[in-house]
Amino acid sequence: AQTVTQSQPEMSVQEAETVTLSCTYDTSESNYYLFWYKQPPSRQMILVIRQEAYKQQNATENRFSVNFQKAAKSFSLKISDSQLGDTAMYFCAFMKHGGGKLTFGQGTILTVHP
Amino acid sequence: EAGVTQFPSHSVIEKGQTVTLRCDPISGHDNLYWYRRVMGKEIKFLLHFVKESKQDESGMPNNRFLAERTGGTYSTLKVQPAELEDSGVYFCASSQDLPGQGAQDTQYFGPGTRLTVL
Repeated sequence: AQTVTQSQPEMSVQEAETVTLSCTYDTSESNYYLFWYKQPPSRQMILVIRQEAYKQQNATENRFSVNFQKAAKSFSLKISDSQLGDTAMYFCAFMKHGGGKLTFGQGTILTVHP
Repeated sequence: EAGVTQFPSHSVIEKGQTVTLRCDPISGHDNLYWYRRVMGKEIKFLLHFVKESKQDESGMPNNRFLAERTGGTYSTLKVQPAELEDSGVYFCASSQDLPGQGAQDTQYFGPGTRLTVL
């Protein structure tokens, strides 16, 4: 069985600064996907970024990038130039290559202060 | 393109009553998932439909929960009879298969239904 751990229940950052959210996971699978989802206070959960485990290059999406360390089973999310709209709960999630269910971490509440 | 929709957004019922939650996936998405987040805990998988068939129902907590997806379109999740511990937010997600890759695309989530059992 897979497990995902987010060790930071809450984080805060000043607007325009950079913040990194941590995520570690445990699996015996060799090929899989990792995701970061964001759930703003309005509740709709949206995809932030996706990483395929077989790709060594870290995924990036505009101000969002990941540091994927497969050997260490670590998948952190870096948010650059933080904006007030980044305030949300962030979930790290794992999915086996064949698809199916997502296994989520506990979530990290990120607050961006003006 | 319309996203995943869920109805109702909120439901407050008394212990012992029945509640039915509905999810409409993105059009064309064969895969439909139900998840639940109990207050303060992580989001947990309940079950996975491929079209109208239950692919994986290993996360269903007990036989008070019944999920259906007639015709492979929308899905319902019925809780009967509801208990206090069923309170939480129920999320639905859908995804499509990636042709020739034996894999699935990203799961897109609905806004959730907040269920409160008193």
